[in-house]
Amino acid sequence: AQSVTQLGSHVSVSEGALVLLRCNYSSSVPPYLFWYVQYPNQGLQLLLKYTSAATLVKGINGFEAEFKKSETSFHLTKPSAHMSDAAEYFCAVSVPQAAGNKLTFGGGTRVLVKP
Amino acid sequence: DSGVTQTPKHLITATGQRVTLRCSPRSGDLSVYWYQQSLDQGLQFLIQYYNGEERAKGNILERFSAQQFPDLHSELNLSSLELGDSALYFCASSTGQGSNNEQFFGPGTRLTVL
Repeated sequence: AQSVTQLGSHVSVSEGALVLLRCNYSSSVPPYLFWYVQYPNQGLQLLLKYTSAATLVKGINGFEAEFKKSETSFHLTKPSAHMSDAAEYFCAVSVPQAAGNKLTFGGGTRVLVKP
Repeated sequence: DSGVTQTPKHLITATGQRVTLRCSPRSGDLSVYWYQQSLDQGLQFLIQYYNGEERAKGNILERFSAQQFPDLHSELNLSSLELGDSALYFCASSTGQGSNNEQFFGPGTRLTVL
């Protein structure tokens, strides 16, 4: 069975500073990996996804993530934080299965951006 | 706006009751998924339907059931409600049924069981 671990349930960054959110996964087969963002009182929005093409994936709002198989990681970064980046971020994994598509989520990391 | 709609937005009910949550997928999407988000369990996959057929099942309680109708909308039925069922329930949809399909999430239904 697959699983996802997000290190740090809360991260505080200054506006303009690097945002780094950590995600490690466990999967018995090559996985597909996703990062979602959840703003207060809203649903989840896809930031980016890795589906076995390029290991460096660029997403929306200036975010990118790098798939590192040797480290079983898929960390999310953004060079310069904006106030609008304050939200909760979820890393998720799915694996090719005979049927169906199930996302397994990490516990989430809440990002606070300080002015 | 993802194009996925969920009704109602909020639901308050009592223990032992039964409720129905409704989801309309994005136009053209054949897969519908249900997830539960709670403080203690986080985001958990419940069930997936593809074109009316059940495709994958997660940790869905026996008191919960779902279906997808011919017009592709889906309903999640929760019965014999307990306090612990209070959570945010999300519906998501995707074009296909495979694991590399991007899932688009609705705004959720917040269920409060008193």
